[in-house]
Amino acid sequence: DTGVSQNPRHKITKRGQNVTFRCDPISEHNRLYWYRQTLGQGPEFLTYFQNEAQLEKSRLLSDRFSAERPKGSFSTLEIQRTEQGDSAMYLCASSRGLDSATNEKLFFGSGTQLSVL
Amino acid sequence: QQPVQSPQAVILREGEDAVINCSSSKALYSVHWYRQKHGEAPVFLMILLKGGEQMRHEKISASFNEKKQQSSLYLTASQLSYSGTYFCGTPAGGTSYGKLTFGQGTILTVHP
Repeated sequence: DTGVSQNPRHKITKRGQNVTFRCDPISEHNRLYWYRQTLGQGPEFLTYFQNEAQLEKSRLLSDRFSAERPKGSFSTLEIQRTEQGDSAMYLCASSRGLDSATNEKLFFGSGTQLSVL
Repeated sequence: QQPVQSPQAVILREGEDAVINCSSSKALYSVHWYRQKHGEAPVFLMILLKGGEQMRHEKISASFNEKKQQSSLYLTASQLSYSGTYFCGTPAGGTSYGKLTFGQGTILTVHP
């Protein structure tokens, strides 16, 4: 169990640029989640995948955000035409996806800190 | 709706006890607790279920009060390693129990 891996750890970009983050979940986990966290707040749900299928997206998620999980392994989150309001920590989490309230423990990665100048 | 945590911050000396509360305006069926240290990933502590038993993680325990729609986290004989921000999360509905709405967090600082 090597844990959830995210890269890069930090990303600084100029407003209007596109950025892409990668998440490698724990290998036997079926579900993969993306959350966003701003300073002083709890993580906010963005989207999640069951294997390669994207099952839910937050209504707060702008059209500029897109996520993929090809082959049900790693996932990428892309933000197009970044805005200063996109600055946040982007967290990835994975779980076994056993559809049990007691077993849906999330294992988080250390996140990608995005700063949009 | 985001659960509300109280207090927002707690400062303790090693060995002291603390209670962190998580309240919701809607009916709760489960509450998840996570701890996040500065610059690190949130780490799972425990899940409380409606009608379930009190749970424990090391010397940290938690309870679920259905009538009050509240969960409480009890940190007993606190250690320096307990320092961090504690988040409660409640299922946000949809197709996965992992889709959580988190509270704003409680910052716990333990001094020697």
